[in-house]
Amino acid sequence: GEDVEQSLFLSVREGDSSVINCTYTDSSSTYLYWYKQEPGAGLQLLTYIFSNMDMKQDQRLTVLLNKKDKHLSLRIADTQTGDSAIYFCAESPGSSNTGKLIFGQGTTLQVKP
Amino acid sequence: ETGVTQTPRHLVMGMTNKKSLKCEQHLGHNAMYWYKQSAKKPLELMFVYNFKEQTENNSVPSRFSPECPNSSHLFLHLHTLQPEDSALYLCASSQDLAAKRHEQFFGPGTRLTVL
Repeated sequence: GEDVEQSLFLSVREGDSSVINCTYTDSSSTYLYWYKQEPGAGLQLLTYIFSNMDMKQDQRLTVLLNKKDKHLSLRIADTQTGDSAIYFCAESPGSSNTGKLIFGQGTTLQVKP
Repeated sequence: ETGVTQTPRHLVMGMTNKKSLKCEQHLGHNAMYWYKQSAKKPLELMFVYNFKEQTENNSVPSRFSPECPNSSHLFLHLHTLQPEDSALYLCASSQDLAAKRHEQFFGPGTRLTVL
């Protein structure tokens, strides 16, 4: 079946790096996504990675994909208090043509000053 | 207006009321989605529309009735709701279901409280 798992909570100090992890089950997933949700807001697309890539870097964000282990991670360098939010990973199942994204339950990132 | 907008942002209704949620996207997309986000639960996909046609109804109770008059607008009509329907309702859009990438762009949501 299709399932995406994330740890629920991560706390870091301002200036440290944050690493949010995600595992997924569908090996045919073509794209994997990271979304950010701030309090009272919708989900904002942060970045995505195509399944034939191992790594993607975008300013302070680094996405690592281990396709063999079906493990995805998001690293935020020099974490700021403004990075405090819920982070969702999502997969786009390769077998699906419904546009459906399977979301994890979200990881709450708390950044302490 | 840019991106995906939703109105109202907050709604309080009684169980016997009828209300509607509105979503509009200004991205030129052809697929639109309704999600329900409850506390401590994963995002639940409710409905999917592609070029105005409904392609998915994820076993949603009939007290939720979607309407998609064109590719830019999506409504969710609500009637005889239950307190457990209180949640954040999110609308999203994407290019279309045939696109290789399915990244979805979300609106800010409507916070619904059913008394």
